[in-house]
Amino acid sequence: SAVISQKPSRDICQRGTSLTIQCQVDSQVTMMFWYRQQPGQSLTLIATANQGSEATYESGFVIDKFPISRPNLTFSTLTVSNMSPEDSSIYLCSVVMTGEQGYNEQFFGPGTRLTVL
Amino acid sequence: LAKTTQPISMDSYEGQEVNITCSHNNIATNDYITWYQQFPSQGPRFIIQGYKTKVTNEVASLFIPADRKSSTLSLPRVSLSDTAVYYCLLRNQGGKLIFGQGTELSVKP
Repeated sequence: SAVISQKPSRDICQRGTSLTIQCQVDSQVTMMFWYRQQPGQSLTLIATANQGSEATYESGFVIDKFPISRPNLTFSTLTVSNMSPEDSSIYLCSVVMTGEQGYNEQFFGPGTRLTVL
Repeated sequence: LAKTTQPISMDSYEGQEVNITCSHNNIATNDYITWYQQFPSQGPRFIIQGYKTKVTNEVASLFIPADRKSSTLSLPRVSLSDTAVYYCLLRNQGGKLIFGQGTELSVKP
């Protein structure tokens, strides 16, 4: 299994500012994803973070708003740019690894709780 | 990716068996059925995965009929700590997970 840490765990930000969230994995992983979970909602996939190339964004998400870096196989960052209150959410990093039962599982980080005032 | 449909919420009492059924009529041949559990303020956690028939682990059982158009997650003898949201998802090997609404299970004393 994977140990995934995220920084910060939570933050309160002013509208118009940007926040960069870090995701660190304790082992090398090929596939890494960023999700958003708005209050009382399910998870929504933002993008796939590709190592050495531009991230692949899902419909409704764009690079200018959510730039992503993936400099190596254990680390990624997600920036929430020019924030508005609608960006208040939990942001989760996720990776695919072989689980204890021998097949690929998707593991999630603890999340970053963002509140935009 | 194929869509899954599951009840929005369920109530149960401690010690009961809970069965959550998920419909996935358009499941593809290379899709696996996987279930996740999410507690408040935590990321989702893998519970169980299967392709067909029955799978059992220390936490739950997963029943999948021959046509694979539905699946049932069975939680034996639930406790208060099983109160969580349960997600049914389809994934192919190495693929990304797309989450549906999930089932909010409330276990009462």
